[in-house]
Amino acid sequence: EVRLVESGGGLVQPGGSLRLSCAASGFTMNYFWMSWVRQAPGKGLEWVANINQDGSEKYYVDSVKGRFTISSDDAKNSMLLQMDSLRAEDTAVYYCVRLPVFDVWGQGTKVTVS
Amino acid sequence: DIQMTQSPSAMSTSIGDRVTITCRASQGIINNLAWFQQKPGKVPKRLIYDASRLQNGVPSRFSGSGSGTEFTLTISSLQPEDFATYYCLQHYTYPWTFGPGTKVEIK
Repeated sequence: EVRLVESGGGLVQPGGSLRLSCAASGFTMNYFWMSWVRQAPGKGLEWVANINQDGSEKYYVDSVKGRFTISSDDAKNSMLLQMDSLRAEDTAVYYCVRLPVFDVWGQGTKVTVS
Repeated sequence: DIQMTQSPSAMSTSIGDRVTITCRASQGIINNLAWFQQKPGKVPKRLIYDASRLQNGVPSRFSGSGSGTEFTLTISSLQPEDFATYYCLQHYTYPWTFGPGTKVEIK
């Protein structure tokens, strides 16, 4: 079964850091582009970042550029999102998603900045 | 950045109704558009990709059309399990952008 499982969310103070992890099973993550998408409480979906198969291409939404870093860990078949200088507006459920075009989603991990 | 708008933002409908949701892009995106369904407390689910291709396993009452700047998602006969929020997404250029969503509610 193809599956994505996020971890690493939690409560953090403004200015703090968190590292989210997304573990894949049922497929090899470095064969695919991968993405992080977030959803603030009661709000819509927001694309956050993409990474390509070998990690040579990374793209970010403007609001997280310079603060968030997407990366992959091939040995662990996983993807990471290092989030620094967190702000209240980063509070959201963060989903790990397989591309092309979001065909597999994780269950999400909740990040609260307060 | 490409702005995505959806109309209506919400609608009250009945079982069996035909539902049409429109998504407009602020500039042309060819057919690089997907539609997602999200039920409360649940993970989004992809319904349509490349503007009109039905995801495997999605009922055929769902269909997508359009290209360029205007797209539609149609549910031919609304079923109880279709009450949800629907989002479009453009993946033509970065930053990828979602529409604000259309909430389909029971009348």
